[in-house]
Amino acid sequence: GESVGLHLPTLSVQEGDNSIINCAYSNSASDYFIWYKQESGKGPQFIIDIRSNMDKRQGQRVTVLLNKTVKHLSLQIAATQPGDSAVYFCAEAQDAGNMLTFGGGTRLMVKP
Amino acid sequence: DAGVIQSPRHEVTEMGQEVTLRCKPISGHDYLFWYRQTMMRGLELLIYFNNNVPIDDSGMPEDRFSAKMPNASFSTLKIQPSEPRDSAVYFCASSPGPREAFFGQGTRLTVV
Repeated sequence: GESVGLHLPTLSVQEGDNSIINCAYSNSASDYFIWYKQESGKGPQFIIDIRSNMDKRQGQRVTVLLNKTVKHLSLQIAATQPGDSAVYFCAEAQDAGNMLTFGGGTRLMVKP
Repeated sequence: DAGVIQSPRHEVTEMGQEVTLRCKPISGHDYLFWYRQTMMRGLELLIYFNNNVPIDDSGMPEDRFSAKMPNASFSTLKIQPSEPRDSAVYFCASSPGPREAFFGQGTRLTVV
């Protein structure tokens, strides 16, 4: 089962639908924002990042949107698959330091 | 590369005992991080090293916790004496630079 058993907000989606996971951040001085995926029994895994001077970045099936006006970050997953079921964390960091500060996480559950 | 390797995967110990968690980072990565994950506090950075030198240990809970990195391929996190509230999953991560930290599988510590 899940390594930690966190009581997290949960997003439940149907397989094949698109998923949107949201994150609010607090530090206006952050230089980049990163999304991590944590599957049960494993450590977090890097998905995609975006620098603070960008508002959108696309990867394979994933898109990250950054709205600095309202300090909001989102991760969009296209055509969600059962293998996408995991806990997703946003993190922020600055160029000057090398520390990632993680948000609270969202659990994504994909229904077949 | 086998990725970041942590040992043990699981540790159960009695309150008051010394616990040592071990980590082998990915070869060539200059940064090493120790994180703790709990239900209540999520993912917390405890300490990180750059080129084997501790850079920021402000996340270490108290003097009972200590971390060392004697060389580029090995780090330890020690808790002495351990307490039940130290029960958590401890992750080690390494990175070649900012942003993309590679996490190990974690050590689930239970202090009874």
